[in-house]
Amino acid sequence: DSGVTQTPKHLITATGQRVTLRCSPRSGDLSVYWYQQSLDQGLQFLIQYYNGEERAKGNILERFSAQQFPDLHSELNLSSLELGDSALYFCASSVAAGNQNIQYFGAGTRLSVL
Amino acid sequence: GQNIDQPTEMTATEGAIVQINCTYQTSGFNGLFWYQQHAGEAPTFLSYNVLDGLEEKGRFSSFLSRSKGYSYLLLKELQMKDSASYLCAVMDSNYQLIWGAGTKLIIKP
Repeated sequence: DSGVTQTPKHLITATGQRVTLRCSPRSGDLSVYWYQQSLDQGLQFLIQYYNGEERAKGNILERFSAQQFPDLHSELNLSSLELGDSALYFCASSVAAGNQNIQYFGAGTRLSVL
Repeated sequence: GQNIDQPTEMTATEGAIVQINCTYQTSGFNGLFWYQQHAGEAPTFLSYNVLDGLEEKGRFSSFLSRSKGYSYLLLKELQMKDSASYLCAVMDSNYQLIWGAGTKLIIKP
């Protein structure tokens, strides 16, 4: 158990809908990262937050947004869903945002868009 | 651009040794990470190298040569449970992790 909690584990929805994925980082970790992994593909970095502020952005679509709250949990919002958004979404956390920061991953949310 | 290269797939025999290579070209270097990912599961941290040389951790070892932009992960005494994808990631000058596409390792009895 990495200590990173993601909910829900599975989500099935329809095209055009909006969903929210939730992540609670490990105790003491200030950085949260979101990744998308489509079937048999590599990890695609979406966005990073550090202590409530956006720190880095990857290939995140405009239909997607995220935030980190004062209690350090984070939410990833996906809207106007398309079939191609079906994927595993991982959250990871690390202590800070510099070097030697090992990212610990949650178990992921499997999103199926029908 | 930034690039991480690793073989797409490798096959090895139970009990044997396998070496998974990773070459990288990044904007700066602040360390190299190896993660293991079983199908449908979360990546788990295996090793971190920032200085040249070999880091050994049980059956797994990781090597780094910064001058060559090269690393490898060595797995000894292979077990069936080692069947997984192995992800190489490099931390660039902005402290962002650049991920390779992963190497799928298949272990045969």
